Amino acid sequence: KQEVTQIPAALSVPEGENLVLNCSFTDSAIYNLQWFRQDPGKGLTSLLLIQSSQREQTSGRLNASLDKSSGRSTLYIAASQPGDSATYLCAVTVTNTGFQKLVFGTGTRLLVSP
Amino acid sequence: DVKVTQSSRYLVKRTGEKVFLECVQDMDHENMFWYRQDPGLGLRLIYFSYDVKMKEKGDIPEGYSVSREKKERFSLILESASTNQTSMYLCASRLLGSDEQFFGPGTRLTVL
Repeated sequence: KQEVTQIPAALSVPEGENLVLNCSFTDSAIYNLQWFRQDPGKGLTSLLLIQSSQREQTSGRLNASLDKSSGRSTLYIAASQPGDSATYLCAVTVTNTGFQKLVFGTGTRLLVSP
Repeated sequence: DVKVTQSSRYLVKRTGEKVFLECVQDMDHENMFWYRQDPGLGLRLIYFSYDVKMKEKGDIPEGYSVSREKKERFSLILESASTNQTSMYLCASRLLGSDEQFFGPGTRLTVL
């Protein structure tokens, strides 16, 4: 059974720092990996999607990497801003009885202080 | 922009009540999903639907049922609400063949 772990559970940094969020998964048979952002009491917003054949994806100040063989992904946030404060979730897509479903980690809660 | 809406942001119900959570998407997506989110457990899939009138159990279907009578609407039903169903419920939709799920804002349900 696929399990997704995110470390750390919470992170507090001053504005301007570069930071790395970690995600690990137990089964390398994934279809893709996604990073989501969730603001308090809100739904999820997709940030980056990496296909299983890709190594990384970039969007603005965000860069996500994927090492499928070791079961790891990182989300790098450059020059962090207070508006980056949110919970970041990683999820892998797995195939279950012919249907693709997402398996989520429990998230990293990020606080960026001015 | 894809829009997924959920009927209530906050809901308080009594134990034993029948509860309906509604989700509507406006982009003609075939696939729809219901998740619950609990601290320390993350998001877990309750039910999903391939298309109209089709439904499949997810990882934690016990105590829930669903209805998909129209393509744009996916309802989650708690036949007899219990306190352990207090949670944040998130709906999502996805275009058939696409990788990306679009999420609604969530319904925070409290069962007293």
